[in-house]
Amino acid sequence: GAVVSQHPSWVICKSGTSVKIECRSLDFQATTMFWYRQFPKQSLMLMATSNEGSKATYEQGVEKDKFLINHASLTLSTLTVTSAHPEDSSFYICSARVRQSNQPQHFGDGTRLSIL
Amino acid sequence: GEDVEQSLFLSVREGDSSVINCTYTDSSSTYLYWYKQEPGAGLQLLTYIFSNMDMKQDQRLTVLLNKKDKHLSLRIADTQTGDSAIYFCAEKYGPGGGKLIFGQGTELSVKP
Repeated sequence: GAVVSQHPSWVICKSGTSVKIECRSLDFQATTMFWYRQFPKQSLMLMATSNEGSKATYEQGVEKDKFLINHASLTLSTLTVTSAHPEDSSFYICSARVRQSNQPQHFGDGTRLSIL
Repeated sequence: GEDVEQSLFLSVREGDSSVINCTYTDSSSTYLYWYKQEPGAGLQLLTYIFSNMDMKQDQRLTVLLNKKDKHLSLRIADTQTGDSAIYFCAEKYGPGGGKLIFGQGTELSVKP
């Protein structure tokens, strides 16, 4: 149980393109989803927290107009990197959790984004 | 602010026990977690412990929590080559305790 699917797993695109990453909870309803960014050989950095049906809460220093997050249903959240540039290249990972905050976060397999 | 520290590398022989250590700063943490990350993949939840517990065992995994010293450890018995990965400890923080802060990760290398 508690499976989180992330798609695509790898995307390469040209500078200036917008890229959408999907995060789905397959066998549970995720009232809260989290988006992280991970640089090579480093830990995870929380970008934003999204609750179903409301606006995402972004961490300090994360541009909300650059990283658009939508959490329209209890099983799907999307992250859109708008007008991506090479410095946006990274490994993006989502996680999902049920309503009770004492429950653990379950992670997707990540999306490797490469901007040329 | 909140901080979680781990040693970066650990190398063991196959069949030995591995002990990965973690220290944290937030004394109000309610839950502490261990996640495993294999190359190019997301994080797999291994186990977690509530702050009112001292120890939790799950098959080959044993978690020890010393609240006084804010020290958490993960022991893997009979370590196998398939256990080679990066291990992250994490503590809950933030309003309502909904967020996680991660350590830097410990790279475990298991030699045959």
